[in-house]
Amino acid sequence: DTGVSQDPRHKITKRGQNVTFRCDPISEHNRLYWYRQTLGQGPEFLTYFQNEAQLEKSRLLSDRFSAERPKGSFSTLEIQRTEQGDSAMYLCASSLVGRTRTDTQYFGPGTRLTVL
Amino acid sequence: DAKTTQPPSMDCAEGRAANLPCNHSTISGNEYVYWYRQIHSQGPQYIIHGLKNNETNEMASLIITEDRKSSTLILPHATLRDTAVYYCIVIRGDDKIIFGKGTRLHILP
Repeated sequence: DTGVSQDPRHKITKRGQNVTFRCDPISEHNRLYWYRQTLGQGPEFLTYFQNEAQLEKSRLLSDRFSAERPKGSFSTLEIQRTEQGDSAMYLCASSLVGRTRTDTQYFGPGTRLTVL
Repeated sequence: DAKTTQPPSMDCAEGRAANLPCNHSTISGNEYVYWYRQIHSQGPQYIIHGLKNNETNEMASLIITEDRKSSTLILPHATLRDTAVYYCIVIRGDDKIIFGKGTRLHILP
């Protein structure tokens, strides 16, 4: 257990439905990342937050995706109008940036999304 | 694209040392070498990282060549629970991770 938690662990939904995932980072960590991993591939970067500010978004993050970190603590990732191609493992990672020269990212267990 | 090259798969006998190589010939002076592993259906697990010097922790040892163009992760006494995909990553400390395909390590009983 790294201290990063994600909820739910599994989500099955029908195409066209909206889904929302939550990530709770390690408590003092100021940076939070979202990645997506499809079967047989390594994780791919989606977006990251420094405190509550979203600083970078990948081109993988289409208009149907939105992420928030309203108080600089937990984060949510919402997918609207899900498509079968959204089926993947969604991973969250957190790190503490600025106080040390390296900023190791610690990953949560992931949320596996299946779109039928 | 990932900045590292790793063999797609390796086998190691249980109880022996597993040596996983990684090439990172374009590494910059301010980039670290990180290793993560991912056991089936779990999130990536941090193993170890280093800049120039060799590093050791309770999980593994990291050997970085003097020119920093390659490194080796050593699991000293592999067990069946070490079966996983191992990712070698080159990263500036505060940046997003770009994962490659990693090395699938099979520990043989």
